[in-house]
Amino acid sequence: GEKVEQHESTLSVREGDSAVINCTYTDTASSYFPWYKQEAGKGLHFVIDIRSNVDRKQSQRLIVLLDKKAKRFSLHITATQPEDSAIYFCAASAGGNNKLTFGQGTVLSVIP
Amino acid sequence: AQTIHQWPVAEIKAVGSPLSLGCTIKGKSSPNLYWYWQATGGTLQQLFYSITVGQVESVVQLNLSASRPKDDQFILSTEKLLLSHSGFYLCAWSLSTSQNTLYFGAGTRLSVL
Repeated sequence: GEKVEQHESTLSVREGDSAVINCTYTDTASSYFPWYKQEAGKGLHFVIDIRSNVDRKQSQRLIVLLDKKAKRFSLHITATQPEDSAIYFCAASAGGNNKLTFGQGTVLSVIP
Repeated sequence: AQTIHQWPVAEIKAVGSPLSLGCTIKGKSSPNLYWYWQATGGTLQQLFYSITVGQVESVVQLNLSASRPKDDQFILSTEKLLLSHSGFYLCAWSLSTSQNTLYFGAGTRLSVL
């Protein structure tokens, strides 16, 4: 089955700098790649996604890149703010019952 | 606007006791519904999904069961809890089963002692 590996388990950046979280996946059939944010003790909040028909998507300070050849995708948070501090999860889906396979999560700390 | 409500917020239960967790979605008819489980400090795993009332598909066998008694309600249950059931249970909905965004509830934290 699909495996998603999230490369950074923790990441610390200074406020205003950029943060990059990298994920790789194994199933070449995967075509949908969402990112979720989880604040302490809370549920997951959708932040951005990318589908396999594009290789870049931006929403305000968030940019996602997809490299289908390398089976790699990444989340770039620009001009980070303290409220960006949270656990970020990447996920991949090949469709069918919307089964998302999640990465292990990255704890992002933005230092003021 | 759609809202998703999970109950209870937290549970502390004894090994061998029964469990029932609930999830209600308002503002969306015929949503696809999902149960996910997050082990403490770990990643998320899909347990069940349902595309219509009365139909539930199991994705992972964890000695749990799920039911969808109404269009807007999803229930997760077991008759006998195990220690390994501890964790964070998240209900989610989507518009369809085909690569659509999942919207999660606030979750239920379960501690089995």
